[in-house]
Amino acid sequence: EADIYQTPRYLVIGTGKKITLECSQTMGHDKMYWYQQDPGMELHLIHYSYGVNSTEKGDLSSESTVSRIRTEHFPLTLESARPSHTSQYLCASSEDQGYYGYTFGSGTRLTVV
Amino acid sequence: DQQVKQNSPSLSVQEGRISILNCDYTNSMFDYFLWYKKYPAEGPTFLISISSIKDKNEDGRFTVFLNKSAKHLSLHIVPSQPGDSAVYFCAARKGMDSNYQLIWGAGTKLIIKP
Repeated sequence: EADIYQTPRYLVIGTGKKITLECSQTMGHDKMYWYQQDPGMELHLIHYSYGVNSTEKGDLSSESTVSRIRTEHFPLTLESARPSHTSQYLCASSEDQGYYGYTFGSGTRLTVV
Repeated sequence: DQQVKQNSPSLSVQEGRISILNCDYTNSMFDYFLWYKKYPAEGPTFLISISSIKDKNEDGRFTVFLNKSAKHLSLHIVPSQPGDSAVYFCAARKGMDSNYQLIWGAGTKLIIKP
């Protein structure tokens, strides 16, 4: 079944640690996105990619980085986690024109202590 | 500058009644509008959409209305069920020049009372 997967679902980590949030999709979509979302707030786009070896920063400034070496895989890395990074991180993908919207993963709830 | 606004952070509706969620936008170049539903600790799921050339789209209990002159859209859920309790996000699609990116509202938390 075509889907999009995020791991881990929940992560509690200490300040200063390096972490990678995984995102994979099986739909063959070229477009993939990372959003950050806090309760009561809109989804903020932090990174996006329109294909292999293509990555861009989104509207919200983020200290994270991403890579897109394979179509299906779009990991997000925080080199040094801080408490301000505590949030929910959502990965999504879409077909080219987005008529069917974005398909989202289940998200990673990150807590940095 | 928030281009998509959902002015009601929350809405409480009796089970069986109609739920109406509202969304306003400022950019007349948006060509497509979508509604998503989100449960806690899960990603949003696509619910229903409408093209800017239409004024209504219906799918089962869900109907979306678009008033372009007022730059306003609304989602109607009839009848409301307990499983509809969730956060609803409105999103607007930019055109080809912006690679069809979505701009999101802040969401409205819908609570269905038994």
